[in-house]
Amino acid sequence: GENVEQHPSTLSVQEGDSAVIKCTYSDSASNYFPWYKQELGKRPQLIIDIRSNVGEKKDQRIAVTLNKTAKHFSLHITETQPEDSAVYFCAASIRNTGFQKLVFGTGTRLLVSP
Amino acid sequence: DAGVIQSPRHEVTEMGQEVTLRCKPISGHDYLFWYRQTMMRGLELLIYFNNNVPIDDSGMPEDRFSAKMPNASFSTLKIQPSEPRDSAVYFCASSLSGTGRNQPQHFGDGTRLSIL
Repeated sequence: GENVEQHPSTLSVQEGDSAVIKCTYSDSASNYFPWYKQELGKRPQLIIDIRSNVGEKKDQRIAVTLNKTAKHFSLHITETQPEDSAVYFCAASIRNTGFQKLVFGTGTRLLVSP
Repeated sequence: DAGVIQSPRHEVTEMGQEVTLRCKPISGHDYLFWYRQTMMRGLELLIYFNNNVPIDDSGMPEDRFSAKMPNASFSTLKIQPSEPRDSAVYFCASSLSGTGRNQPQHFGDGTRLSIL
């Protein structure tokens, strides 16, 4: 069935270090992969997304890579800052009879220590 | 522009009571999604609509849960009767259907529901 696995579940880094979160998906027809950041008590907010016709996308300190053959994609955060501390969710699109939805990973709690 | 608007932000009620959660999607968006978030189960899709029509309600946990979208600017999620295990944060999200391309979902601030 439709499934997105996300690792690690928790990640602790020192300020200034890099952080990498990895996701794998099961549906080979998935073609859209957003990443959301959720701060404590807040709503998930889109931070970056990538489509299947692109292998990498970058926006300042964050980047996402996609390997369609292996069906995995990753979020990279460089020069981490304490305000990057949050839960990060990956997602993959599922297209069913012409309608679209997302399947979310289980989340990674990132803690950046000063 | 206003984002997705949900009400109430918090709801505390006793077991057995009816609960109604409300959502106003972003104007012009034709997809609306209802999610439930708990520590144990993460972010679960309950039901979604396209052009006000329910497309997939396979995530609705039980018949106690129902959702409607009477028009393009309003949707409700109802739980009747409510149970303590329904306690969670309920998010509504909306998106625009691109011409064959998936579009980002935009989330509301959620309703934190506590059933005593």
